[in-house]
Amino acid sequence: DVKVTQSSRYLVKRTGEKVFLECVQDMDHENMFWYRQDPGLGLRLIYFSYDVKMKEKGDIPEGYSVSREKKERFSLILESASTNQTSMYLCASTSGQNYGYTFGSGTRLTVV
Amino acid sequence: SQQGEEDPQALSIQEGENATMNCSYKTSINNLQWYRQNSGRGLVHLILIRSNEREKHSGRLRVTLDTSKKSSSLLITASRAADTASYFCASVNTGGFKTIFGAGTRLFVKA
Repeated sequence: DVKVTQSSRYLVKRTGEKVFLECVQDMDHENMFWYRQDPGLGLRLIYFSYDVKMKEKGDIPEGYSVSREKKERFSLILESASTNQTSMYLCASTSGQNYGYTFGSGTRLTVV
Repeated sequence: SQQGEEDPQALSIQEGENATMNCSYKTSINNLQWYRQNSGRGLVHLILIRSNEREKHSGRLRVTLDTSKKSSSLLITASRAADTASYFCASVNTGGFKTIFGAGTRLFVKA
């Protein structure tokens, strides 16, 4: 069964901490994405990556960075966590724009 | 940026009834996809319809696409309590890898 795995389901961090969210896929997909999901706002794209060491900003990249050192792993980094980054974070991958996305189970991050 | 829009925002029906959800989008698309999300979990891909298709079926799901109106609908026939979830449309734009998700329709199926 193909899978996208996010390292944590729930995470609580303090304001100002550096936070790492990890995502691993086992489908050999080139394309990986990080979204955040907030009530009433749907999914908003933070960053995406077409290939190893390649990254592109999405709609809301401010306060975030990403790393893709290996094809199967795409990490989201909150450089200095703030309370307005409390959200559900979803990682996804796909083999191309003519195919559906496979999502991870999500990480619910609370910043206090 | 503004997302695609689903209608209605919430829908409550009895088991056995059909559920219809609508989606509108703003730009030219390569394809449109529908996803399901159970509470607090990730999204699961249900069905993809290409811009040159008008209707597609998968089990109890029927999706239509009207590119002239920039709209799509998802019909779930003979709903079950287990269909209770949020449903999202995602429009994949032409000319680049840009996918826009709607805010979702929350479906509640009463047993």
